[in-house]
Amino acid sequence: AQSVTQLDSQVPVFEEAPVELRCNYSSSVSVYLFWYVQYPNQGLQLLLKYLSGSTLVESINGFEAEFNKSQTSFHLRKPSVHISDTAEYFCAVSAPSNTGKLIFGQGTTLQVKP
Amino acid sequence: GAGVSQSPSNKVTEKGKDVELRCDPISGHTALYWYRQSLGQGLEFLIYFQGNSAPDKSGLPSDRFSAERTGGSVSTLTIQRTQQEDSAVYLCASSASRYPGTSLYNEQFFGPGTRLTVL
Repeated sequence: AQSVTQLDSQVPVFEEAPVELRCNYSSSVSVYLFWYVQYPNQGLQLLLKYLSGSTLVESINGFEAEFNKSQTSFHLRKPSVHISDTAEYFCAVSAPSNTGKLIFGQGTTLQVKP
Repeated sequence: GAGVSQSPSNKVTEKGKDVELRCDPISGHTALYWYRQSLGQGLEFLIYFQGNSAPDKSGLPSDRFSAERTGGSVSTLTIQRTQQEDSAVYLCASSASRYPGTSLYNEQFFGPGTRLTVL
């Protein structure tokens, strides 16, 4: 079985400041790792994913996440946030040989202040 | 093409009533998932369909919950004798064919959800 822990339920940050949203997972098998974003009053969208290969993955809007196998982490970072990044962010895992179901963390609300 | 759609967008019901929630997946997507998003439990997997069969129902919280899928397309999640703890946003997602035991990855696309409120 897999589990995901997002260590911060809320992260307030000022605009243009850097941010890190933390995610740790537990699994007895190799997993795929994901970050999903849910903007206010919108559905879940895939932000970025790690399947294999390079441990550093990037999104089109400046976020990046690094898979660290030894620390079982997949933290999300952005060097300079915008007001429009205000949203809830979910870390998730799935086992490649399983049904593809996603196991989510509890979510982190990123609040970007002007 | 169109994305995943769900109906109704909002549903208010009285405790003890039955409700049906509908999901229309992206055309051609054979894998379909139901999740639940609630304040106390976060985002939880409920059930997975491959075609019309449900090989993984492990997330259904009780026997009051059931789901079916017909024609390899539309899916309905039914909650019988609703309770207040059933209040949540129910999300549906679909992806291209999924073959358990393979490492094939297909992105899941989520619908907007149905917000269920049980009074």
